[in-house]
Amino acid sequence: DAGVTQSPTHLIKTRGQHVTLRCSPISGHKSVSWYQQVLGQGPQFIFQYYEKEERGRGNFPDRFSARQFPNYSSELNVNALLLGDSALYLCASSLSQGPYEQYFGPGTRLTVT
Amino acid sequence: AQKVTQAQTEISVVEKEDVTLDCVYETRDTTYYLFWYKQPPSGELVFLIRRNSFDEQNEISGRYSWNFQKSTSSFNFTITASQVVDSAVYFCALSEGGDAGNMLTFGGGTRLMVKP
Repeated sequence: DAGVTQSPTHLIKTRGQHVTLRCSPISGHKSVSWYQQVLGQGPQFIFQYYEKEERGRGNFPDRFSARQFPNYSSELNVNALLLGDSALYLCASSLSQGPYEQYFGPGTRLTVT
Repeated sequence: AQKVTQAQTEISVVEKEDVTLDCVYETRDTTYYLFWYKQPPSGELVFLIRRNSFDEQNEISGRYSWNFQKSTSSFNFTITASQVVDSAVYFCALSEGGDAGNMLTFGGGTRLMVKP
């Protein structure tokens, strides 16, 4: 079975631009979460979506938004990019919204110049 | 607020040595879940284990073992007879479940280097 997939793998953007990152969960998983991992640190929770609704939000500005589609795939959008948004963005899927094991994708490496 | 501390930022061992990675957590909830993940150089986080707060039994899986002690709020991870392929960054994480959904709070990670 395919694991969590994310696209693109790498992305270079300029300050002030907008970016959209995409994630497809493991088949049968209905919950998708997004994490930001700055180099040398642990991942930080951004959003959780379950059944197309936002179920949790971390301490990130409103420039960050996300959505989940009927097929349970998800998009993370970041507006007005700042240099500090440079990070590895990880998507994780799990069966449901509870504290089940989360399986992570390979991530999207975003560089803002 | 929940917090996870991994005091060891970097550990270096020689192959076949045993190594223990420490994890200390803080939470006000009586029901919570603890996780360990491995992040090899490729970057993808690999799930290793999930334990709930009501199950304090130690667990062994091959060369891996975990020691959960609620009295000291610790969930330590031991690799026996380490191998070069164990070189990675290891993260401990906490989830409170309930209204927190499946939000994971990660520690800062411990980089393990196993030398041949």
